[in-house]
Amino acid sequence: KAGVTQTPRYLIKTRGQQVTLSCSPISGHRSVSWYQQTPGQGLQFLFEYFSETQRNKGNFPGRFSGRQFSNSRSEMNVSTLELGDSALYLCASSLSGRGAGELFFGEGSRLTVL
Amino acid sequence: DAKTTQPPSMDCAEGRAANLPCNHSTISGNEYVYWYRQIHSQGPQYIIHGLKNNETNEMASLIITEDRKSSTLILPHATLRDTAVYYCIVRALYNQGGKLIFGQGTELSVKP
Repeated sequence: KAGVTQTPRYLIKTRGQQVTLSCSPISGHRSVSWYQQTPGQGLQFLFEYFSETQRNKGNFPGRFSGRQFSNSRSEMNVSTLELGDSALYLCASSLSGRGAGELFFGEGSRLTVL
Repeated sequence: DAKTTQPPSMDCAEGRAANLPCNHSTISGNEYVYWYRQIHSQGPQYIIHGLKNNETNEMASLIITEDRKSSTLILPHATLRDTAVYYCIVRALYNQGGKLIFGQGTELSVKP
């Protein structure tokens, strides 16, 4: 079956703009998590959605937001982009996010802020 | 903060076993040890997880010490495709949802 799909794969924005990234989880998976990966900070948890509700949140400013739709697809938005937001944004899905199941990651969306 | 400590890098000869150590001395009784790896420019990939018994699957074996303060991931016959960053993560089985706390990991280089 199809894996986790993230779009777009690459994008370039300028400071002050906003960006929306999309994630389609594996069919049947209800939990979607988002991560930011930078060379300096490594992989950091942004937030998790389950059944259209935010269930967990990392330590990121309010400029980072997300949502989940009834079909479990998720979007994350970053407003007022800063140079430091340049990163690989990864989405992961799991059946429920609890229990012994693992997370399945997408290939990521690489954002460059100029 | 990550609750695990791993060496930043390791080398392994192709065809030999790769043994990747992880220290998790503050692990709680309800926390599992998970291993993921990330091949360059790809998303992390789940490898294996365990609580206190040794575990084996088609990718690797996980050896957890009796006191559960450390573990070793074993790739029995490393190939060039196993070159990646390997992350050891401790995670409570419940109440964590999709949240994983990644450390810096071990960069494994498999050499011909």
